[in-house]
Amino acid sequence: EAGVAQSPRYKIIEKRQSVAFWCNPISGHATLYWYQQILGQGPKLLIQFQNNGVVDDSQLPKDRFSAERLKGVDSTLKIQPAKLEDSAVYLCASSLRTGSNTGELFFGEGSRLTVL
Amino acid sequence: AQSVTQLDSHVSVSEGTPVLLRCNYSSSYSPSLFWYVQHPNKGLQLLLKYTSAATLVKGINGFEAEFKKSETSFHLTKPSAHMSDAAEYFCVVSGSRTGFQKLVFGTGTRLLVSP
Repeated sequence: EAGVAQSPRYKIIEKRQSVAFWCNPISGHATLYWYQQILGQGPKLLIQFQNNGVVDDSQLPKDRFSAERLKGVDSTLKIQPAKLEDSAVYLCASSLRTGSNTGELFFGEGSRLTVL
Repeated sequence: AQSVTQLDSHVSVSEGTPVLLRCNYSSSYSPSLFWYVQHPNKGLQLLLKYTSAATLVKGINGFEAEFKKSETSFHLTKPSAHMSDAAEYFCVVSGSRTGFQKLVFGTGTRLLVSP
């Protein structure tokens, strides 16, 4: 079974530039998550989708971050304009369904962003 | 509100000795608790989970954890460390009154295993 795919793996940009990350979840997984993991910290949820609807985006900095999952499959996370503090690993995860509290999220390997 | 506190940022053990990674949680709801492991440049992987069944939970690679409600703890243990156990470990709490699962991660414990 193919895992969660993310690209690019690494990205270096200047501050105030824009960047986009792509995620393709495991086939059939209804729930998709984007997490931000800053060095030395645990992952923090940015946004959670159930199919193509947003379940939780309370911690998404909406003035610069946006995400979409238009067809309920793959997803894109965009940052525009980037700030130095956005340097982090952006993790995408998917799960079969939400509401069951099973906790089994399947994570991609992440996209490491460095903002100079 | 939910949170987890991982009491040690780093734990160092020798190969073949026991491992103890400590985690305390806080939750307004009946929590589900998990341990995830992250090897360098790899994705996070679920080690084990507690979801209100048996309080002693066994996971992969010989790890286990015990849910203690009275102590609000969910410590991760392994009888004998292996070099391949060196990684970052995250304690995670989940619970929601809306039915939509929300996982909250701790800050992580880096396990170092020496020969």
